[in-house]
Amino acid sequence: DVVMTQSPLSLPVTLGQPASISCRSSQRLVYSDGSTYLSWFQQRPGQSPRRLIYKVSKRDSGVPDRFSGSGSGTDFTLKISRVEAEDVGVYYCMQGTHWPGTFGQGTKLEIK
Amino acid sequence: QVQLVESGGGLVKPGGSLRLSCAASGFSFSDSYMSWIRQAPGKGLEWLSYISSLSTYTDYTDSVKGRFTISRDNAKKSLFLQMNSLRVEDTAVYYCGKVDFWSGDPPIPRYGMDAWGQGTTVIVSS
Repeated sequence: DVVMTQSPLSLPVTLGQPASISCRSSQRLVYSDGSTYLSWFQQRPGQSPRRLIYKVSKRDSGVPDRFSGSGSGTDFTLKISRVEAEDVGVYYCMQGTHWPGTFGQGTKLEIK
Repeated sequence: QVQLVESGGGLVKPGGSLRLSCAASGFSFSDSYMSWIRQAPGKGLEWLSYISSLSTYTDYTDSVKGRFTISRDNAKKSLFLQMNSLRVEDTAVYYCGKVDFWSGDPPIPRYGMDAWGQGTTVIVSS
């Protein structure tokens, strides 16, 4: 299975400051159709996960534009331009290029 | 709006069986791939299985292959997970998820789940 490795695992951020989460895959995530299937999910405390980003950089409907995704090959990043209180939670990257789809171990974002 | 409601979780002894259900509404269930994902206590997410819209395609992650079976009833807009030979390590919150994009040969889900249920808790303990 493809191993997804996130860093950092804990991310204390001051309100209004930017945040960045890295995700690395053990295999390249470019599929034979030329697309890269890397998604990001947010899980707020006590809630189910919610997808934020799919196909590396496409934001889901209703996701604030302060969230952005980038990357290629095996290295990907989720950036939050200005952290708000509602962003507290755990963030997971996930690859869908190879079955089974696999998630990173999660990055816990908290407010300093 | 899309709604997914899981049920069927509970306490079961190792080696036992359980059948989870997921009731779907708010979207065209019969046109959608569906999935099961689980989250062990304090742990991350594990994508267990998917099923295509007409049940033509299914697959499982290795940890549950041969023990779990995914199925669906499009007439009842319901998704199921039959879990046999349960182990202590199967203890988790189980989520059903709606899949919004699939591709390839065979077609597999690519973007993950665009909608999740609230989860149902399975505890495997003697």
